[in-house]
Amino acid sequence: GIQVEQSPPDLILQEGANSTLRCNFSDSVNNLQWFHQNPWGQLINLFYIPSGTKQNGRLSATTVATERYSLLYISSSQTTDSGVYFCAGSTQGGSEKLVFGKGTKLTVNP
Amino acid sequence: NAGVTQTPKFRILKIGQSMTLQCTQDMNHNYMYWYRQDPGMGLKLIYYSVGAGITDKGEVPNGYNVSRSTTEDFPLRLELAAPSQTSVYFCASLRQNSPLHFGNGTRLTVT
Repeated sequence: GIQVEQSPPDLILQEGANSTLRCNFSDSVNNLQWFHQNPWGQLINLFYIPSGTKQNGRLSATTVATERYSLLYISSSQTTDSGVYFCAGSTQGGSEKLVFGKGTKLTVNP
Repeated sequence: NAGVTQTPKFRILKIGQSMTLQCTQDMNHNYMYWYRQDPGMGLKLIYYSVGAGITDKGEVPNGYNVSRSTTEDFPLRLELAAPSQTSVYFCASLRQNSPLHFGNGTRLTVT
């Protein structure tokens, strides 16, 4: 099955800094999505982004489907951005069997 | 619109007991999923369904069973609980080519 690799595994920032998280896929992928898991364990969908670029406030994401990767940008980070960021995707074919990466744990210090 | 609702929120089982984790969604989504998340780890797909009457195995299906008799409901059954099944279980759903929505999870401990 498809393999999903996220980097870096851990990231520590000072409030106000910018960061880039990366997600690589072993095969062509569709249905690519980014999630934030807050310290209470809730999983929030940030972006559904099978291709192209999207922005939502301080967060933006870019997927280059032909090169099998996606990037999540966080600008002017805040302590509330802390948590774990996951990407997920499914292979072409429509089964929507969504597989997750192991996540990037982000800590933003005041 | 409640989204994805999971019950119970917490449960403690003894080894060998059985239980069903309930999941229901009110968004008329075709696709539904069960994931487990072990402490400090990512999410592993247990089972998924692309519509009523259709289910398929994910990455870690052993020890679990599912059914999908309606569009709304996707229960997960543990027949003989083992300590290795101690985890947080998440149910999720989506409409094709759209964002995935998660429930708030069920924290299960098997002792």
